[in-house]
Amino acid sequence: AQKITQTQPGMFVQEKEAVTLDCTYDTSDPSYGLFWYKQPSSGEMIFLIYQGSYDQQNATEGRYSLNFQKARKSANLVISASQLGDSAMYFCAMRANNAGNMLTFGGGTRLMVKP
Amino acid sequence: GAGVSQSPSNKVTEKGKDVELRCDPISGHTALYWYRQSLGQGLEFLIYFQGNSAPDKSGLPSDRFSAERTGGSVSTLTIQRTQQEDSAVYLCASSIRGGTVAKNIQYFGAGTRLSVL
Repeated sequence: AQKITQTQPGMFVQEKEAVTLDCTYDTSDPSYGLFWYKQPSSGEMIFLIYQGSYDQQNATEGRYSLNFQKARKSANLVISASQLGDSAMYFCAMRANNAGNMLTFGGGTRLMVKP
Repeated sequence: GAGVSQSPSNKVTEKGKDVELRCDPISGHTALYWYRQSLGQGLEFLIYFQGNSAPDKSGLPSDRFSAERTGGSVSTLTIQRTQQEDSAVYLCASSIRGGTVAKNIQYFGAGTRLSVL
């Protein structure tokens, strides 16, 4: 079975600073993908970034980067130069090839950006 | 282009009534997924469609829940004889295809918030 753990229920960050949101995962499948989604108060889940288990380099998408440490089974999201619009819930998710097509989600982290 | 569209955005119903939730995926996406988001259980997978077939129904919580997809496009999630524990946000997602490719990005709609009184 797959499991995602996000240990930070809530975090504050000052505008323009960087912040790291933690995610650890557990799977026995050697082939898997890791995803981060943002959910603002409007409710829509917005895809941010993807990391494959066989990718050699950490994924980056604009101000988002993923600190992937395979041996530690962690996939932390780093947001650089935080903006007020970054305030939202952030979910880490995994899809393992032997688990079908479903995404398994962590419990989420609520990020609040202070002006 | 248009994203995943869900309707209604909010639904209030009485216990015991049936409800239908609709999802219109991104055009050209063959795979469609339903998830449920509730305070106590977080985000849970319900069902996956590839085309009009549902090869994975493993997340449906009871036989009161069913879903169908027609024309490889719109999907309807039906909950019969609703219970208060069915109150949640029901999210629909679509991806360009299913299969075993790990990078299979699922794009979500804004969800339907269901309240059972």
